[in-house]
Amino acid sequence: AQKVTQAQTEISVVEKEDVTLDCVYETRDTTYYLFWYKQPPSGELVFLIRRNSFDEQNEISGRYSWNFQKSTSSFNFTITASQVVDSAVYFCALSGTNTGNQFYFGTGTSLTVIP
Amino acid sequence: GAGVSQSPSNKVTEKGKDVELRCDPISGHTALYWYRQSLGQGLEFLIYFQGNSAPDKSGLPSDRFSAERTGGSVSTLTIQRTQQEDSAVYLCASSLGDTAGWSYTFGSGTRLTVV
Repeated sequence: AQKVTQAQTEISVVEKEDVTLDCVYETRDTTYYLFWYKQPPSGELVFLIRRNSFDEQNEISGRYSWNFQKSTSSFNFTITASQVVDSAVYFCALSGTNTGNQFYFGTGTSLTVIP
Repeated sequence: GAGVSQSPSNKVTEKGKDVELRCDPISGHTALYWYRQSLGQGLEFLIYFQGNSAPDKSGLPSDRFSAERTGGSVSTLTIQRTQQEDSAVYLCASSLGDTAGWSYTFGSGTRLTVV
């Protein structure tokens, strides 16, 4: 079975603080893909990153970074020096090779950055 | 088109009426997905169209829900005899490929309110 858990329902930080959003997944597939999406107040989900199961290199894109650890089945997302525009709901998702391209989403983490 | 287009953006309907929600995917995208997002909840999978294959309808919550995709392009999600619990944002997404790993591009959603 495929499952994604985002244990943090809501997080509030003060602007310029760093924040990490946790994502833990379960899958029996040996090849799988992990994703993060951002859903700002406007509502449209925006793709942030994709990582495949064979690539455990961490990735940095500007203030965003992702830490993928197969040993703990986690794919955590860190925002450095948070800004008000980062306020959104963030979803982690999983797709495995045995389920076509159906995404299994976590329940999302609502991030509020306070100015 | 440039993005995934959904219409209408908002729909208010009376309990018991039928509604049709439309999704126009990105041109050339072979896979199309419908998800439902209830207030404060994660994304619930509904149905998945992949190329010319039979759709995966495993997520449809009841036989009041149906969907079709005509000519491999536009899709319509139909909800018959709407109930108040059907109130949610219905999200459509498409992806260029239908095997695992392709990122989704989401539409802005249709907010359905059943009164």
